Amino acid sequence: VELVESGGGSVHPGGSLRLSCAASGFTFSDYWMHWVRQGPGKGLEWVAHISLNGSNTFYAASVKGRFTISRDNAKNTVYLRLSSLRVEDTAVFYCARDLGTSGQIEDAFDIWGRGTMVTVSS
Amino acid sequence: SDELTQPPSVSVSPGQTARITCSGDALTKQYVYWYQQKTGQAPVLVIYKDTERPSGIPERFSGSSSGTRVTLTISGVQAADEADYYCQSTDSIGAYVKFGGGTKLTVL
Repeated sequence: VELVESGGGSVHPGGSLRLSCAASGFTFSDYWMHWVRQGPGKGLEWVAHISLNGSNTFYAASVKGRFTISRDNAKNTVYLRLSSLRVEDTAVFYCARDLGTSGQIEDAFDIWGRGTMVTVSS
Repeated sequence: SDELTQPPSVSVSPGQTARITCSGDALTKQYVYWYQQKTGQAPVLVIYKDTERPSGIPERFSGSSSGTRVTLTISGVQAADEADYYCQSTDSIGAYVKFGGGTKLTVL
């Protein structure tokens, strides 16, 4: 069971990035998925989640309208599109699997990727 | 308030018991989950639904709940337990995921 993030990098304020998270070792389409971020030296902050088929998404207030979560079950991949980036978005972005089973969301995380770093700087 | 409050740091000697608390008004209605994060690594779930331990997590990790406060207890602390510990829940209506600020456990 593994999650591997990619797509991080350095970007100027106002710029965009797309993060990817490739899942393996489990039936990806059976789980809600999340993105969680952690600023340098800071705590964890939940960012967004997406339902099994992608029809339901939900965002933290701090990113709503700027970030978009999506998934491709055929590719076992969840994405996070980051736009209108701000300096304060600088963080390691983790992909995480929801703990819930049988299609239910539990809003907790049992599998985490290693993260991908996003740096927003002028 | 839906915020979760943790002490910034806890220090114990090897073999002693560490207790890390997490307080919040929403905790009377919502479960709490605990994560261990070692330096440079991703978090690991160590307790779910207040008191349950995932497979592979040592028995010395336990959780308890009382009103608006929950506690992560680590018995017989080992040097390998030194890490940041985060509690996590949702707000009172189960809409937003919330994390506590984290507690740095130092093993003296």
